[in-house]
Amino acid sequence: GAVVSQHPSWVICKSGTSVKIECRSLDFQATTMFWYRQFPKQSLMLMATSNEGSKATYEQGVEKDKFLINHASLTLSTLTVTSAHPEDSSFYICSAQKTGFLSNQPQHFGDGTRLSIL
Amino acid sequence: KNEVEQSPQNLTAQEGEFITINCSYSVGISALHWLQQHPGGGIVSLFMLSSGKKKHGRLIATINIQEKHSSLHITASHPRDSAVYICAVRNTDKLIFGTGTRLQVFP
Repeated sequence: GAVVSQHPSWVICKSGTSVKIECRSLDFQATTMFWYRQFPKQSLMLMATSNEGSKATYEQGVEKDKFLINHASLTLSTLTVTSAHPEDSSFYICSAQKTGFLSNQPQHFGDGTRLSIL
Repeated sequence: KNEVEQSPQNLTAQEGEFITINCSYSVGISALHWLQQHPGGGIVSLFMLSSGKKKHGRLIATINIQEKHSSLHITASHPRDSAVYICAVRNTDKLIFGTGTRLQVFP
């Protein structure tokens, strides 16, 4: 149980394009989902935390207008990279948690999306 | 200094060897996670623990809250164990990640 599906797994697109990444919890309801970014050979960096039905909480230095997050249902969160540029090329990975964060439930990770902007 | 430090950064082993990866942290935590990231990037949660010891197959995780230290052990290592192992601690409302330990097990 506790499967998280992330789609697409790999995207190549032109500079200026907007790219949407989906994160779905397949067999559980996720009140909270997290979006991370990972550069090569570096650790995961939290970009934002989204709670179903409310606005996402962004980490310092992450542009909310650049990285739009929507968590409209208990099984789906989306990250849209708007007007993507080569410096946005990275590995993006989501995780989902069954209940509110402070209840100490584990996070379940998706397989990630490798984004390349030409 | 990072709030979560892992050692070693890189580790090579011969198949069958016993492997230990260490994690030290400097913040208060409610839980500690050990994660496995394969070359394709996907992450699998191996353990979440807040005290003592947990075992799953050939993997054992221990934590010493007083010393702020955790270890991940792999017994009878196998080439399929080759991956990056990441320690992450839960501090208030977020996970803080270590930089990972890259493990390669050769036949």
